[in-house]
Amino acid sequence: AQKVTQAQTEISVVEKEDVTLDCVYETRDTTYYLFWYKQPPSGELVFLIRRNSFDEQNEISGRYSWNFQKSTSSFNFTITASQVVDSAVYFCALSEAMYSGAGSYQLTFGKGTKLSVIP
Amino acid sequence: EAGVTQFPSHSVIEKGQTVTLRCDPISGHDNLYWYRRVMGKEIKFLLHFVKESKQDESGMPNNRFLAERTGGTYSTLKVQPAELEDSGVYFCASSRAPGLPSYNEQFFGPGTRLTVL
Repeated sequence: AQKVTQAQTEISVVEKEDVTLDCVYETRDTTYYLFWYKQPPSGELVFLIRRNSFDEQNEISGRYSWNFQKSTSSFNFTITASQVVDSAVYFCALSEAMYSGAGSYQLTFGKGTKLSVIP
Repeated sequence: EAGVTQFPSHSVIEKGQTVTLRCDPISGHDNLYWYRRVMGKEIKFLLHFVKESKQDESGMPNNRFLAERTGGTYSTLKVQPAELEDSGVYFCASSRAPGLPSYNEQFFGPGTRLTVL
């Protein structure tokens, strides 16, 4: 069975601080995908990143960066120089990678981390 | 390109009543998913359609929940009769067919907040 753990329920930082959101996952699949989604106050889930289990390179997109460590089953998300607009709930998720035709790319989510950036 | 839309945004009903939630996926997306988030818990998978066929309904909690996707376009999720524990936010997501670029990137709607009193 798959499981995603986001141990941080809520985090508060002052604007311009860096913040890291932790994500630890469990899966028996040898190939899988990891995702991060952002849920702003408006409610929809906004896709941020997808990472294939074969690709352990870290990724940077503007102020966002992701650290994938297969050895520790972690996929952490760092926001550099946080801004008030970063305030949201962030979800880490996992799905299988091989579409067998009989299966599904259903996402297994963590409980989410609520990030509050204080001006 | 219009995003995934869901209707209604909020629904408040009494225990024992029936509610139908609707999801309109992104045009052309074969895959449609329903998820639910009960307060304080994870977002959990309910079921997956490929076009009009149910591919995986392993997450449906019980037979009070009925999902349909007639014609492979929009989908409805009916709860009948609703119970208190059905309260939560119901999300719909859609994605492209396997083999297409970003085929497993799921685009989510804003969700329907269901409150059962």
